[in-house]
Amino acid sequence: NAGVTQTPKFQVLKTGQSMTLQCAQDMNHNSMYWYRQDPGMGLRLIYYSASEGTTDKGEVPNGYNVSRLNKREFSLRLESAAPSQTSVYFCASSIQVHTEAFFGQGTRLTVV
Amino acid sequence: QKEVEQNSGPLSVPEGAIASLNCTYSDRGSQSFFWYRQYSGKSPELIMFIYSNGDKEDGRFTAQLNKASQYVSLLIRDSQPSDSATYLCAVRADRGSTLGRLYFGRGTQLTVWP
Repeated sequence: NAGVTQTPKFQVLKTGQSMTLQCAQDMNHNSMYWYRQDPGMGLRLIYYSASEGTTDKGEVPNGYNVSRLNKREFSLRLESAAPSQTSVYFCASSIQVHTEAFFGQGTRLTVV
Repeated sequence: QKEVEQNSGPLSVPEGAIASLNCTYSDRGSQSFFWYRQYSGKSPELIMFIYSNGDKEDGRFTAQLNKASQYVSLLIRDSQPSDSATYLCAVRADRGSTLGRLYFGRGTQLTVWP
């Protein structure tokens, strides 16, 4: 049982490049989330999807887009990467919006 | 903006002692509270959740919730060096336009020394 799987684990981008972070969960969870974690800032919600077919902005959505491809998959896209987006990105899922969330292993992204 | 505040660390306790981690939150309507442990370079791992006022015990861990005071805490009894990690408090918005969002504190770093 893999839980929440993120790809890639590490990525280096040049300013202005685009990329998509992939996330898939095999726990039949309805809700999925993307967070970024920066030193001294804690975990901040970028976007979330309460259920398949819906997405909503979190605290720091600027510069990002998301797609809830199906119940299992929730991707995060950086259209034009900026050095301020250097961070560790975590995907998470929960069975419903009111229940506990489980995290993937993270993607360490560096934008130079 | 929902706020979740944790007691500033780092917290250092000897092996075998009780470690007490505290968290306050601003949204009085929150009903769901979570404690995560995060080892350096790893992802957050859920260790406790609590929905009702009072205490909830799971092994060496006890979560305490006081909704009137908007306060949630985590006690770790018989602390072990393997408990050394950053502990994250999380509060879920359970109503309104932010329904479903999980807000995290900045974490408290705990070190348990032998």
